[in-house]
Formats: sequence, structure tokens, C-alpha cells
Amino acid sequence: ILNVEQSPQSLHVQEGDSTNFTCSFPSSNFYALHWYRWETAKSPEALFVMTLNGDEKKKGRISATLNTKEGYSYLYIKGSQPEDSATYLCAFNTGGFKTIFGAGTRLFVKA
Amino acid sequence: SQTIHQWPATLVQPVGSPLSLECTVEGTSNPNLYWYRQAAGRGLQLLFYSVGIGQISSEVPQNLSASRPQDRQFILSSKKLLLSDSGFYLCAWGGQGGGELFFGEGSRLTVL
Repeated sequence: ILNVEQSPQSLHVQEGDSTNFTCSFPSSNFYALHWYRWETAKSPEALFVMTLNGDEKKKGRISATLNTKEGYSYLYIKGSQPEDSATYLCAFNTGGFKTIFGAGTRLFVKA
Repeated sequence: SQTIHQWPATLVQPVGSPLSLECTVEGTSNPNLYWYRQAAGRGLQLLFYSVGIGQISSEVPQNLSASRPQDRQFILSSKKLLLSDSGFYLCAWGGQGGGELFFGEGSRLTVL
């Protein structure tokens, strides 16, 4: 059974704080690792799709790293803003048709 | 451009009643289609996926079924709902070669 673990479950930060979340996944049969942002009353939207060990991707103040050998990925948010408040989902794919999600990290950014 | 729609957005049903949630995709052909569910306090659980018309793979044995009568239509059904079927259901397309998924707006089901 493929298991994707995310921590922390939730996080409360002040505006301007930088923060990071962790995603752990099976290191065998790796094909791709996804990060999604899920805002309240909206659909999840992909932030990053990473496939190579050592990958680092960046979109504005948000970046992610990937370590496929040890099975973890970090998502970083620099200078958090209230609009960053959302659930951040990590998802693992073995190259087949199935994408398996973690339970997510719920981020609350207080102004 | 591709779009995905699912309906109804909200549904309140009594235990034992039937269910039908519908999802359609536009702007692409032969998409991989998925049904996920988020139960309270949990992540997205993959329920069903389909790689073509009439082809359904079930991930979790349960009270639900899925059908794909047309290339861009995916339906989630139940003959008799249980309380445990309550949750937020998301349809998605994509995932080819491990690629990203594109989600619909979601359907919130409450079974009373």
C-alpha cells in the first residue's frame, strides 16, 4: 500500500513569517511528486510536478525540493501572506495511472 | 482550453437513497478520469479511475460504483447510501505519464 505522509497537519503563522512543510513518500518505484494548493471553496491546483532527484522548483515566494532516494520533499513559503492560507497537498505517482495524496498541511496566515 | 465540470455542488440525501454525481470534461479527448473523496479531517482518497470508455478501476471496496458511458463523462453512483459515504467528492482528469491532475469544483454529499 502506497502511503504519503505530510507534516505538520496544520500550521499557524504570522504574516511575513517563512515556513516549510514536509512530505514523505515511498522511495521505491518513484516517478513523480506533485504539490497542490487547495484554497477554501476552490479546487486543488497544481503548484509543482517534480520528477528528478535533487529537483528544486520555484514559483514566486513558494519553492519545493525533492529527494527521491530518501523519499521526502519540502515545500517552502517565504514571507507568508494571508492569501497563502490554504491546504497544501503532496501527491505521489509511480508512473501509472494512480496519484496518491497525503492528508495535507493546513496553513493559516494571520495578518 | 480544457475545462471540467461536476454536479451537483451540494447534496443532502437520506440513508438508503441512491446517488448519482456526474463529471464532464471538455477540450480534450480520451482523458484519464478520476474520482477522489475527502472525508472529514482526511486527505484525498482515490476511489476510481478510468483510462477509457467502459474501463473502470476500483481502488477501495465500498458502497460506490463508477461508470464511463462516454469518452468525457464520468459518473459516480450508489444504490443505497450509507452515513459513511458523506464527504467531499472531486472529479479530476489528467495524470498521463505521472502528470498533474485538474480538478472539478467538487460535490459535497451529506448523508443523514
